[in-house]
Amino acid sequence: QVQLVQSGAEVRKPGSSVKVSCKASGGTFISHSISWVRQAPGQRLEWLGGIIPSFGTTNYAQMFQGRVTITADKSTSTAYMELSGLRSDDTAVYYCAREKRDGYNWGIFDYWGQGSLVTVSA
Amino acid sequence: IQMTQSPSSLSASVGDRVTITCQASQDIGNFLNWYQKQPGKAPKLLIYGATNLEAGVPSRFSGGGSGTDFTFTISSLQPEDIATYFCQSYFDLPPTFGPGTKLNVK
Repeated sequence: QVQLVQSGAEVRKPGSSVKVSCKASGGTFISHSISWVRQAPGQRLEWLGGIIPSFGTTNYAQMFQGRVTITADKSTSTAYMELSGLRSDDTAVYYCAREKRDGYNWGIFDYWGQGSLVTVSA
Repeated sequence: IQMTQSPSSLSASVGDRVTITCQASQDIGNFLNWYQKQPGKAPKLLIYGATNLEAGVPSRFSGGGSGTDFTFTISSLQPEDIATYFCQSYFDLPPTFGPGTKLNVK
């Protein structure tokens, strides 16, 4: 059984950066893409981007391009999402999610982390 | 691709048949998933590819449709089904989610 365990809640000031981790266990990590999805209060889920750990291939949503960096450490089966230039409207729960299909596929999320609350406040 | 859902909220009784609709702003074929989200929990995949039931998901859940119009049905509502349900397109990047339908028990 695949498990994704994320790092804990973070509080950041506007303009700073945050890095959230997502450690996978119990399944194949490197051949399935890992995506990052967030949900701000009262808003719909929003895809930020993702990575295929085996290739290091990344894809980012255009609206986050330049602010988000997604990386993966194959040796520890851990994916990371770093968001910079934080604003108050980046306050959200951030989830990592594994793609159901292996290879270059994006969009069927069958396993999710528990979520990491990021609060941006002065 | 913009996703819309209706209704935004719904009250039903245990045992009722419940149907939610999702509409895509363009033809997405069958590249459509449905998720359940309960407060404080991560989303759970229920249906993928518009009609395919994810392993371990009860058979009272089903999905239909293709192109731009999709449905999600719970054949007999159970108390544990109280949640918000989202549709999501994966026709292209970025994957996009609907606004959700909040399901309550009468």
